[in-house]
Amino acid sequence: GAVVSQHPSRVICKSGTSVKIECRSLDFQATTMFWYRQFPKQSLMLMATSNEGSKATYEQGVEKDKFLINHASLTLSTLTVTSAHPEDSSFYICSVGMGASQPQHFGDGTRLSIL
Amino acid sequence: GENVEQHPSTLSVQEGDSAVIKCTYSDSASNYFPWYKQELGKRPQLIIDIRSNVGEKKDQRIAVTLNKTAKHFSLHITETQPEDSAVYFCAASQGYGQNFVFGPGTRLSVLP
Repeated sequence: GAVVSQHPSRVICKSGTSVKIECRSLDFQATTMFWYRQFPKQSLMLMATSNEGSKATYEQGVEKDKFLINHASLTLSTLTVTSAHPEDSSFYICSVGMGASQPQHFGDGTRLSIL
Repeated sequence: GENVEQHPSTLSVQEGDSAVIKCTYSDSASNYFPWYKQELGKRPQLIIDIRSNVGEKKDQRIAVTLNKTAKHFSLHITETQPEDSAVYFCAASQGYGQNFVFGPGTRLSVLP
């Protein structure tokens, strides 16, 4: 399966700061990557589907102007949480889609804490 | 859209016993069903998956069964070990869109 690298693993910052998270597919050209958010003791909730060379597809209720996604190459997608607030504190995790009816492979996740 | 339910939410078993986790899905168009294991603070890792053209799949101590008619699928872990303790998530996908809908998770504790 794909090897997925996600950075940073941990971010602690003040309210109002914008935070960028990178997701890299190290050995697979990923036309599709996914961004999830996971609150403590809860499931993975899909935020958006990142498509290489085109606009991301956001799930209902996810603000596209707050969670900016860029997928400029087949190996890199970025998620920027703009003007983060304490309620944005969560575990953000990306995955690489291997194709239809195929597994997704996940990065290590980013734990974001907004003070 | 797709809705995936998962039961039980927590499960405790004695080491060596079997564990069964069940999931149901709502969309008959779903055709791919992976299971992920997630240890605390770590990435979800694929442990087994099944496609809709297969009724059962086994990999050593882990097996998955699928009933398309009833729209449910189950994870079976035999001879459980303490290192099996984790949260397990099922998911359903329609394949073409690659999107997964995850179940709420089952926290499995294997007691020594």
